[in-house]
Amino acid sequence: QKEVEQNSGPLSVPEGAIASLNCTYSDRGSQSFFWYRQYSGKSPELIMFIYSNGDKEDGRFTAQLNKASQYVSLLIRDSQPSDSATYLCAADDGTGFQKLVFGTGTRLLVSP
Amino acid sequence: GAGVSQSPRYKVAKRGQDVALRCDPISGHVSLFWYQQALGQGPEFLTYFQNEAQLDKSGLPSDRFFAERPEGSVSTLKIQRTQQEDSAVYLCASSLPGTMSGNTIYFGEGSWLTVV
Repeated sequence: QKEVEQNSGPLSVPEGAIASLNCTYSDRGSQSFFWYRQYSGKSPELIMFIYSNGDKEDGRFTAQLNKASQYVSLLIRDSQPSDSATYLCAADDGTGFQKLVFGTGTRLLVSP
Repeated sequence: GAGVSQSPRYKVAKRGQDVALRCDPISGHVSLFWYQQALGQGPEFLTYFQNEAQLDKSGLPSDRFFAERPEGSVSTLKIQRTQQEDSAVYLCASSLPGTMSGNTIYFGEGSWLTVV
């Protein structure tokens, strides 16, 4: 069974700090990896996707992928209280049909 | 519309009742997905359409669940004889076809189903 594992948290960081969110995936056939942010009662919103080993930066967000270790991470620099949400890691299931396997999400709390 | 639209947003059903959840994807989006998200969990895949063709229904939890997209646009997820374990948020998502890296999957706001 294909799985994506995340620590459920909560991860608490002070405003202005770097938040580091991690996930691992089980299927070596997965090619693309996604980070979604989900506010309580709202739908998931895509923050970043990554498919190559290494780092990908977009503003305050950096996604990191290590396919050998089957590990994906998301760094949020200069964390803001508005970043407080659940962050969902997802991987494609390797079939090419854009079907995603999600983790359970990590709850991030940024305190002012 | 500008985004993926789902209705109803909230539905309370009595156990044993049938429900129908509607999804109106972004105009021109060929791919449509249904996911189920239980409280405190990540979304779980239910089924996938490319145009009107249902290419994958491996995630439907039982034969009480049925989805259709007859004209390749609006989709309906139907749950027959609802059970309490069906209580969840049902998320619809759409995207253009193509490589995973090149296309964003957009989620609707979800239909919150509570079975009492």
